Amino acid sequence: DTEVTQTPKHLVMGMTNKKSLKCEQHMGHRAMYWYKQKAKKPPELMFVYSYEKLSINESVPSRFSPECPNSSLLNLHLHALQPEDSALYLCASSHENTGGATEAFFGQGTRLTVV
Amino acid sequence: AQSVTQLDSQVPVFEEAPVELRCNYSSSVSVYLFWYVQYPNQGLQLLLKYLSGSTLVKGINGFEAEFNKSQTSFHLRKPSVHISDTAEYFCAVTKNYGQNFVFGPGTRLSVLP
Repeated sequence: DTEVTQTPKHLVMGMTNKKSLKCEQHMGHRAMYWYKQKAKKPPELMFVYSYEKLSINESVPSRFSPECPNSSLLNLHLHALQPEDSALYLCASSHENTGGATEAFFGQGTRLTVV
Repeated sequence: AQSVTQLDSQVPVFEEAPVELRCNYSSSVSVYLFWYVQYPNQGLQLLLKYLSGSTLVKGINGFEAEFNKSQTSFHLRKPSVHISDTAEYFCAVTKNYGQNFVFGPGTRLSVLP
């Protein structure tokens, strides 16, 4: 299994709603990531989890709250979002490799629209 | 900090013609280099990677890239493109443990019939 599965594929939410994005992988990867991608732009790193601990937070607003319940799951909790937060949210995972680097495997993304 | 430049935002090419997508990086330390492809409304798929060893790396779908340390480049090539290669292509670098991938701005490859 070399897949990263994201649910839902599409999400429309109001600015007062609370929702969660989910990501799952069964490749034994111990690094998991959230990226945000606006149209016609590259992915921008939001958060990195390493061994279920938050290791990088790229100054993301607190209305985005990540959670890593176990080594296979990664959630992104959303609350009080703004229309400019509408984007494709990508989850990725990779091996932790102290000897070098390995590629990141990406999910298909969740297309989020904030109304 | 490392950064990635993809000079061509759009590259139109006719079917069965060769193509080269350019990628240059800047970093004060050794980096690891990747090319990803993104089809419309989908995630990113790895085409190929350079970690060490031979500077010419072959990937999926007939793509290859050459790492040139002196020119800090990692250009992507394909000798004959297909309509199905139409997509966005991102060059990326990382320097440690695969974390914090830094992506270039992307190149939109359009293959014309």
